[in-house]
Amino acid sequence: AQTVTQSQPEMSVQEAETVTLSCTYDTSESDYYLFWYKQPPSRQMILVIRQEAYKQQNATENRFSVNFQKAAKSFSLKISDSQLGDAAMYFCAYSGANSKLTFGKGITLSVRP
Amino acid sequence: DAGVIQSPRHEVTEMGQEVTLRCKPISGHDYLFWYRQTMMRGLELLIYFNNNVPIDDSGMPEDRFSAKMPNASFSTLKIQPSEPRDSAVYFCASARQGAGNTIYFGEGSWLTVV
Repeated sequence: AQTVTQSQPEMSVQEAETVTLSCTYDTSESDYYLFWYKQPPSRQMILVIRQEAYKQQNATENRFSVNFQKAAKSFSLKISDSQLGDAAMYFCAYSGANSKLTFGKGITLSVRP
Repeated sequence: DAGVIQSPRHEVTEMGQEVTLRCKPISGHDYLFWYRQTMMRGLELLIYFNNNVPIDDSGMPEDRFSAKMPNASFSTLKIQPSEPRDSAVYFCASARQGAGNTIYFGEGSWLTVV
């Protein structure tokens, strides 16, 4: 079975600074997808970024980028120029051949003005 | 395009009552998922459907929970009888086959059982 681990329960970043959220996973599959979802207090699950395992190039979406290390099974999210609206819970997730998502426990990010 | 639509958004019910949560997936999506989120257990997959057929219901907690998908545009999750420990946010999500496994979530149904 696949597992996703987010070992840091909380992080804090100063507005306009950069923060990296870490995630590791375990799988025996060779073809899979990795995701970061953002969950603000409204509880809406918002897709932030997606990475295909077969792509070596790290995905980027504006201020959000990932550092995907396939051999190490590591998938961290970097948020540049942090904004107050980035404060939320962030979930790392894995999806493989069966298309269902397996989530980590999440990390609460706070942004200091 | 309309996203995944869930109803009700909030429900408070008494222990022992039947609860029905509803979901309309994104048009054209082949997969539908029901997730539950609690503080203790995080996000758990309860059941998922592919082309209206239940594929994996191993996450359904017990016989009090049931889910149906009578057609491609509608699904229900029913709890009967409800218990206080069922209090959680229930998410419905959908995905299109071949679209890179990207799953889109509804806004969730907040259930409180008192």
